[in-house]
Amino acid sequence: GAVVSQHPSRVICKSGTSVKIECRSLDFQATTMFWYRQFPKQSLMLMATSNEGSKATYEQGVEKDKFLINHASLTLSTLTVTSAHPEDSSFYICSARVSGRVTGELFFGEGSRLTVL
Amino acid sequence: GEDVEQSLFLSVREGDSSVINCTYTDSSSTYLYWYKQEPGAGLQLLTYIFSNMDMKQDQRLTVLLNKKDKHLSLRIADTQTGDSAIYFCAETRRDDKIIFGKGTRLHILP
Repeated sequence: GAVVSQHPSRVICKSGTSVKIECRSLDFQATTMFWYRQFPKQSLMLMATSNEGSKATYEQGVEKDKFLINHASLTLSTLTVTSAHPEDSSFYICSARVSGRVTGELFFGEGSRLTVL
Repeated sequence: GEDVEQSLFLSVREGDSSVINCTYTDSSSTYLYWYKQEPGAGLQLLTYIFSNMDMKQDQRLTVLLNKKDKHLSLRIADTQTGDSAIYFCAETRRDDKIIFGKGTRLHILP
């Protein structure tokens, strides 16, 4: 099946610094990638939809200047958490939709656990 | 309501069948999915069903879809300890976004 690689899997940073998380589709092209955030014991909250070559579409309540998304190629999307604060600590998961596939199913990365001290 | 609803917890004895239920929101949803999340890991697509189907079977997994009631269920036959995980129901809404329920934590009793 399609593989999505997410890096880093864990990151610890100091408050005020920025952290970049990468999401790569390894064996397929992904016109669209999604970024989700998962709080403990809660569901996945869709943060934004990332489209290759265009600006990301953010969900209501998600600060686009705080969570910068870049989808520069058909296989890579990045999420940068700028000026991170402890409340940004969470599990961030990316997913990619296989371009041209009818079912529209998503393939997920393994997630990145961000801890902001 | 606007949320995809699932019960949060299910406890089943090893060898029994597990049935996880979900209520979705968009009657025009084309695809409905079940994802599995093991502890500390990302999500794995288990199975999906197209909206014009009532049932789909894949080895130990059976998905039932009731479009009238917007109800989706996942049955796992002969539940094993390796099935212990969180199971997420998800729907593709008319705006093409995939929205998830809160997940059902399946606990296997010996």
